[in-house]
Amino acid sequence: QKEVEQNSGPLSVPEGAIASLNCTYSDRGSQSFFWYRQYSGKSPELIMFIYSNGDKEDGRFTAQLNKASQYVSLLIRDSQPSDSATYLCAVLAGGTSYGKLTFGQGTILTVHP
Amino acid sequence: DGGITQSPKYLFRKEGQNVTLSCEQNLNHDAMYWYRQDPGQGLRLIYYSQIVNDFQKGDIAEGYSVSREKKESFPLTVTSAQKNPTAFYLCASSIPGTALYGYTFGSGTRLTVV
Repeated sequence: QKEVEQNSGPLSVPEGAIASLNCTYSDRGSQSFFWYRQYSGKSPELIMFIYSNGDKEDGRFTAQLNKASQYVSLLIRDSQPSDSATYLCAVLAGGTSYGKLTFGQGTILTVHP
Repeated sequence: DGGITQSPKYLFRKEGQNVTLSCEQNLNHDAMYWYRQDPGQGLRLIYYSQIVNDFQKGDIAEGYSVSREKKESFPLTVTSAQKNPTAFYLCASSIPGTALYGYTFGSGTRLTVV
């Protein structure tokens, strides 16, 4: 079993819709969870991080964490064509403040006009 | 402006040749990391360093070497022992004690074997 798993997609949604990206992780001791956006040929950029159960909202983005189910998701409201990218889920293992992040394989999102 | 600079942006390696990828940061971050990205496989950790003169192997260290002689610099050497080096290489750093808030990434080096 991979440590961090994502559906590789591609996920295709119409402009203005809600895009839902999902991620599961295997280490129950994981303490922080990150969503990165990566455009083709570019480096990842941090969108959001979350470390408490529940929802965290930032503009059009909402991260949701359920530690009991070992599940983290990212919702993108009012999706725009500029949101088309690969979204990487990353997990920081427990007890490591410097820590190695473990990444999922990424989900390709396409927002069509 | 503070950030991480990777060079070169594109690098071509001949069979049997060692090449070195540069990573320099002016963020005053203690921790630095090297990741490799292949299509459809996400990012995989090669090496990481938490402090000057110390570094640890990641998940795929074979065929690679690093040094950390200065806080600002963490170069990666891809040796001839790495049989499939063609990939996108990313360097990252994190704030001391606060990796809870994620990494800052460089712009990457795309290495191709010719």
